[in-house]
Amino acid sequence: DVKVTQSSRYLVKRTGEKVFLECVQDMDHENMFWYRQDPGLGLRLIYFSYDVKMKEKGDIPEGYSVSREKKERFSLILESASTNQTSMYLCATTGGNPSEAFFGQGTRLTVV
Amino acid sequence: GNSVTQMEGPVTLSEEAFLTINCTYTATGYPSLFWYVQYPGEGLQLLLKATKADDKGSNKGFEATYRKETTSFHLEKGSVQVSDSAVYFCARAVTVNRDDKIIFGKGTRLHILP
Repeated sequence: DVKVTQSSRYLVKRTGEKVFLECVQDMDHENMFWYRQDPGLGLRLIYFSYDVKMKEKGDIPEGYSVSREKKERFSLILESASTNQTSMYLCATTGGNPSEAFFGQGTRLTVV
Repeated sequence: GNSVTQMEGPVTLSEEAFLTINCTYTATGYPSLFWYVQYPGEGLQLLLKATKADDKGSNKGFEATYRKETTSFHLEKGSVQVSDSAVYFCARAVTVNRDDKIIFGKGTRLHILP
């Protein structure tokens, strides 16, 4: 089974802090994604990566950056956390034929 | 364009009721279609999928049929249980060159009352 692991289930950070959300997958997939999930808005794509050291902006990249130094690891960075970044963050990878998405358990981030 | 539209929730039903959650998509060609489920406090997990027209995906008593004539992939279950309470997401695959993305609907929250 594909396993996608996010480093934290719950995080509380202060406004202005730099925040790192880590995601690791163990199936050698090339594609990895970061979404945020908010009530009434569904899943919104922040950033994605199709290869090591490669990144593409999703629909809402502002205030975020990412790092993909190794194939199995995709990090989401909040350069200076703000209260409007309080949300559930979901990491995913796609693979298989036909392709389907596999998700981590989510990180609920609260910025105070 | 590429989009997925699903009925807004929340949907509240009594146990053993019949469930339908509507989903339509826009696409060129015939993308793979999915239903994902998110139980409280967890990430999304694949519930079922269909990869071509007229395919029926099924799992845990849920079914959805890929209808290209109506560009729909409605989720159905004949008799729901309290344990089916969750958020359900319809999704479609988008492939650009060799790279795959999944586009999700906004989700439908389902409450099942005992």
